Amino acid sequence: QSVLTQPPSVSGAPGQRVTISCTGSSSNIGAGYDVHWYQQFPGTAPKLLIYGNRNRPSGVPDRFSGSKSGTSASLAITGLQAEDEADYFCQSYDRSLSGSRVFGGGTKLTVL
Amino acid sequence: EVQLVESGGALVQPGGSLRLSCAASGFTFSNYWMHWVRQVPGKGLVWVSRINSDGSSTNYADSVKGRFTISRDNAKNTLYLQMNSLRAEDTAVYYCAREDPLRFFAFDIWGQGTMVTVSS
Repeated sequence: QSVLTQPPSVSGAPGQRVTISCTGSSSNIGAGYDVHWYQQFPGTAPKLLIYGNRNRPSGVPDRFSGSKSGTSASLAITGLQAEDEADYFCQSYDRSLSGSRVFGGGTKLTVL
Repeated sequence: EVQLVESGGALVQPGGSLRLSCAASGFTFSNYWMHWVRQVPGKGLVWVSRINSDGSSTNYADSVKGRFTISRDNAKNTLYLQMNSLRAEDTAVYYCAREDPLRFFAFDIWGQGTMVTVSS
């Protein structure tokens, strides 16, 4: 299983707000390491969505936002759109695994 | 255009070897740490290995330690992953990714992936 824990799936209707959680431990998120989020459509490479817990690369709509508290982080998507349907992965660093970057298991977002 | 292009994926028998390549363009390759990440189709992302900018330091996931070797040729702007003693569980899409220190060390550029299938 993944070092970071995400719900396998979330869903929401167009226009709604959804959140995706990413739960870690004292050796990764809780140790102060940054959390990044990636969006992946079927058959394509992951794309950086949020970096450093809450920063959006240019071109990412401000409907996407990130936050972090304690041993967890969250990705929020407001004004849900059909094109947001994708897989979302969180990622951080774990100090107990030398040099290791760690990912969440991924969350499939379904737009109803 | 900033780009990473992987190649080298193939069908290989258990116990066999394969070398993946990742050609970088559009940026100063020698300035960046690079990583390999793999994904079984339909499953999650798994970090495999990383190398620092001049190739003097490397790290590996426990699952590949002693079998895989990451390297780079900065003169050729190319990252490599030498995979030996391959197992069925190594079957996955392999992505190379750039780590950007200006983006809190996130993986800001990814290649398109190359498929490795280990099967008899």
